[in-house]
Amino acid sequence: GEDVEQSLFLSVREGDSSVINCTYTDSSSTYLYWYKQEPGAGLQLLTYIFSNMDMKQDQRLTVLLNKKDKHLSLRIADTQTGDSAIYFCAESFMNSGYSTLTFGKGTMLLVSP
Amino acid sequence: DVKVTQSSRYLVKRTGEKVFLECVQDMDHENMFWYRQDPGLGLRLIYFSYDVKMKEKGDIPEGYSVSREKKERFSLILESASTNQTSMYLCASNKSNQPQHFGDGTRLSIL
Repeated sequence: GEDVEQSLFLSVREGDSSVINCTYTDSSSTYLYWYKQEPGAGLQLLTYIFSNMDMKQDQRLTVLLNKKDKHLSLRIADTQTGDSAIYFCAESFMNSGYSTLTFGKGTMLLVSP
Repeated sequence: DVKVTQSSRYLVKRTGEKVFLECVQDMDHENMFWYRQDPGLGLRLIYFSYDVKMKEKGDIPEGYSVSREKKERFSLILESASTNQTSMYLCASNKSNQPQHFGDGTRLSIL
């Protein structure tokens, strides 16, 4: 079935760039998403990319998509302590004719001062 | 702004009780979803609904049912709660081909 893989943990220093990687399996996915979850909260949509795009930039966030390798990455420039959270990658796929999401297990980003 | 509201942030229930988790969205979204989130397992889809009175099973529907009597409200029902249903439950909604928006979650403990 569909599977989304992420590394579990990333630690960076404040001001550095962070890169969170994700691989997915469904080559027919139309959209790929990045969500952020702060402690005790729900998931907040960060950004998403349509599958016919290679890159999307939104302020400090850059998403790169390599469709051939089914690889997605999220780069956070000038990482701040407030960026410490769990980041989830998700791919869309068709379930009984309806679009649903498969999530990775999440990458915990820890930003130290 | 999209608003998805889950009725309780924290809930404690006893084994065998019937438990209702409620979710309301105010953006006229046709699709609504219930997930559970467990450490090391990520988010897993329990049920989803694409229209009023319609429902589809997700990946882990066993032990759960749902109700969608009105477009804005999607209820998750634990018919007879068990300790292995202790988890964080997340509701989401969207219009087709648009991102899902999540509520703040309900942390449910079954004693």
